[in-house]
Amino acid sequence: DVKVTQSSRYLVKRTGEKVFLECVQDMDHENMFWYRQDPGLGLRLIYFSYDVKMKEKGDIPEGYSVSREKKERFSLILESASTNQTSMYLCASSTTGGYFWNSNQPQHFGDGTRLSIL
Amino acid sequence: RKEVEQDPGPFNVPEGATVAFNCTYSNSASQSFFWYRQDCRKEPKLLMSVYSSGNEDGRFTAQLNRASQYISLLIRDSKLSDSATYLCVVKHNNNDMRFGAGTRLTVKP
Repeated sequence: DVKVTQSSRYLVKRTGEKVFLECVQDMDHENMFWYRQDPGLGLRLIYFSYDVKMKEKGDIPEGYSVSREKKERFSLILESASTNQTSMYLCASSTTGGYFWNSNQPQHFGDGTRLSIL
Repeated sequence: RKEVEQDPGPFNVPEGATVAFNCTYSNSASQSFFWYRQDCRKEPKLLMSVYSSGNEDGRFTAQLNRASQYISLLIRDSKLSDSATYLCVVKHNNNDMRFGAGTRLTVKP
């Protein structure tokens, strides 16, 4: 089974702090994703990465940055946390299917980090 | 307009009922389609992929209509354990996945 591990289930930080959310996957997946989930809005993509040191902006990248120094690890950084970044953050990974590229590859999610900014 | 739209719900149904969820998507270049299930305070988990010819997995049937850009999920003989939020998911060819806001289902005894 695919295992996607997020460093914290619950996190409380203060406005202005720099916050790091870590995500590790153990299946050698090429793609990794960070979402936030808010009531009534569903999952919204913040950033994704399709290879080491590669990153692409999602729908709501403002106020966030990411780092992918190793294939198995994808970090989300809140440069200066604000109260409107209080949310559930979900990391996901997927494979492109290897040599025989298969578009029908789903994403596998971590347990999520419930982040509160005070 | 959201890229993936679902029935807002919530659906409250008795055990044994048949439930149908609908979903529409706006990007005609979308390539792959999925239904995910999310339990309260848990992460989304893949329920099933949706294939062009339609597919079935036990009590669950998924249908895709590319011309209408419409996806459906049918749950027959619903169980208490089916209570969850069901997310419609559409994937573009660059591995970018878009999620609907979800439809909440509560199955009652």
